Amino acid sequence: DIQMTQSPSSLSASVGDRVTITCRASQGISNYLAWYQQKPGKVPKLLIYAASTLQSGVPSRFSGSGSGTDFTLTISSLQPEDVATYYCQKYNSAPPYTFGQGTKLEIK
Amino acid sequence: EVQLLESGGGLVQPGGSLRLSCAASGFTFSSYAMSWVRQAPGKGLQWVSVISSSGGTTYYADSVKGRFTISRDNSKNTLYLQMNSLRAEDTAVYYCAKGARTTVTTFLDYWGQGTLVTVSS
Repeated sequence: DIQMTQSPSSLSASVGDRVTITCRASQGISNYLAWYQQKPGKVPKLLIYAASTLQSGVPSRFSGSGSGTDFTLTISSLQPEDVATYYCQKYNSAPPYTFGQGTKLEIK
Repeated sequence: EVQLLESGGGLVQPGGSLRLSCAASGFTFSSYAMSWVRQAPGKGLQWVSVISSSGGTTYYADSVKGRFTISRDNSKNTLYLQMNSLRAEDTAVYYCAKGARTTVTTFLDYWGQGTLVTVSS
């Protein structure tokens, strides 16, 4: 099975900072990669799919990039409402459709 | 507005069974794959199972294969997860999630509020 590894596991940054979270697949998955945001006590929400396509309604400060095995989620200017845990998920042809272990983002 | 409403969670003894339901509205249910994802207390998201729009294709995580069965009734706009031989490690909030495509190779664009399953004696 393909493993999805996120780094870092946790991150503390200041409002206005540029934040980058990395997701690495153990084998190539083309661009079949989604990013989700889960705020404390809330339901996960889709941010990005196909590695770099922003879901409708998601602020433009969020962006995604990558293909193959290495992917990044970037927040260009961190806002207080971005405090959350972020997960990547692969959804290419072969199940399981594994999630990364999550990256917990806090405000410094 | 897409709505997914899970039900059927609760407390069950090890070895017991539960059936979760997810009532869908606000979209053409029969046109989209659906998934179950779970989250143990204080832990990350774990993909559990997926079913294609027609119900003809299903996949499971190894940890639940042979014990859980995903199904759907497109006439009732409802997704199900039959869970048998439950173990303590199955304790989690179970989310129903809508796929963005007909096929199982899809990301999840809407999620329900979740239903808590607790396996304990």
